[in-house]
Amino acid sequence: DSGVTQTPKHLITATGQRVTLRCSPRSGDLSVYWYQQSLDQGLQFLIQYYNGEERAKGNILERFSAQQFPDLHSELNLSSLELGDSALYFCASSYGTGGGNTEAFFGQGTRLTVV
Amino acid sequence: AQSVTQPDIHITVSEGASLELRCNYSYGATPYLFWYVQSPGQGLQLLLKYFSGDTLVQGIKGFEAEFKRSQSSFNLRKPSVHWSDAAEYFCAVGEISAASKLTFGTGTRLQVTL
Repeated sequence: DSGVTQTPKHLITATGQRVTLRCSPRSGDLSVYWYQQSLDQGLQFLIQYYNGEERAKGNILERFSAQQFPDLHSELNLSSLELGDSALYFCASSYGTGGGNTEAFFGQGTRLTVV
Repeated sequence: AQSVTQPDIHITVSEGASLELRCNYSYGATPYLFWYVQSPGQGLQLLLKYFSGDTLVQGIKGFEAEFKRSQSSFNLRKPSVHWSDAAEYFCAVGEISAASKLTFGTGTRLQVTL
């Protein structure tokens, strides 16, 4: 158990809908990262938050957004869903900003299926 | 931009045999390097990491990896594979400014035959 909690574990929804994925980081970790794992693109970094502020952005679609709340949990919002958004979404957390010799701890992921 | 290449998509080894999974990276400076393992339906578990210092790093579950700057490689090895090692293995590189912002390779699926 990495200490990173993601909910829900599975999500099935229709095209055009909006969903919210939730992540609770390890105790003491201030940074949260979101990754997408799909058959087409592999594992890709989406976005990082540190202590409530966006820190880095990767290949995140405009239809996707994220935020980190004062209690440090994070939510990834996916809207106007398309079939191609079906993927496993991972959250990871790390101590501090993630710079220097820090490592990321990954949650179990949320499997999103868009039908 | 950094990149990671795992040239072997799928590898099959017999239980008890040795294992080497290849990883080559492209990065402008000394990278932070990681190996993660993903079992079916599971998340990513860190096997080992290289930040600096000794180029041979030891990890969990009997795995080790060697950083070779001249070859831009960070190959994962295990002297004797167990059936429970069957999984997908990912090599990743982290940025100096953000070690946890990772670029992953495409993964190598390991099958272990009894």
